[in-house]
Amino acid sequence: SAVISQKPSRDICQRGTSLTIQCQVDSQVTMMFWYRQQPGQSLTLIATANQGSEATYESGFVIDKFPISRPNLTFSTLTVSNMSPEDSSIYLCSVLYRGGWSGGNYNEQFFGPGTRLTVL
Amino acid sequence: TQLLEQSPQFLSIQEGENLTVYCNSSSVFSSLQWYRQEPGEGPVLLVTVVTGGEVKKLKRLTFQFGDARKDSSLHITAAQPGDTGLYLCAGALYSGYSTLTFGKGTMLLVSP
Repeated sequence: SAVISQKPSRDICQRGTSLTIQCQVDSQVTMMFWYRQQPGQSLTLIATANQGSEATYESGFVIDKFPISRPNLTFSTLTVSNMSPEDSSIYLCSVLYRGGWSGGNYNEQFFGPGTRLTVL
Repeated sequence: TQLLEQSPQFLSIQEGENLTVYCNSSSVFSSLQWYRQEPGEGPVLLVTVVTGGEVKKLKRLTFQFGDARKDSSLHITAAQPGDTGLYLCAGALYSGYSTLTFGKGTMLLVSP
């Protein structure tokens, strides 16, 4: 499967500051996603990031709070801006392969290891 | 309204027991994926099921996709402590590029 790395793996930040999370993939992918996950809970999609276009945000998430960059087909960043304790969560990047990893008429999504963010 | 309902939400069993986790929906999915997530890690893809009625086996794990492609189940035989984790089902509504719809997950704890 795809090898996806994220930096940092964890961080503790002060209220009002910003943190940029990096996501690197070992192969070129068209669609990348950013998710948020509370510990022990399911995943909430923040936005879809396609190379060469503006990110598409889900309801409840805005670009001013979560600006995303997608400069090429193997890399993306998510910034959590003006953080508050409510932003404490695990942030995950994900990539989608059309036709699955081994080929087929379906999609498969793979996830990075996550960034655990604590805001004090 | 949760598009994908997973049950049970939490399961605590002893090593060696069998268990089944369910993922149900009123919607038809083009494909459905099962993930396992261990604490501090990202979700790891276990299997993708595509065809109605399909059964896939991964060692002690058996995955089934409902005939109508609206539901799926994960059965674990002789559970081991290493099976502990959050199990997530996720469905794709369309065969083209589309985001996944995730269930809320089943937290499984297998005690020695």
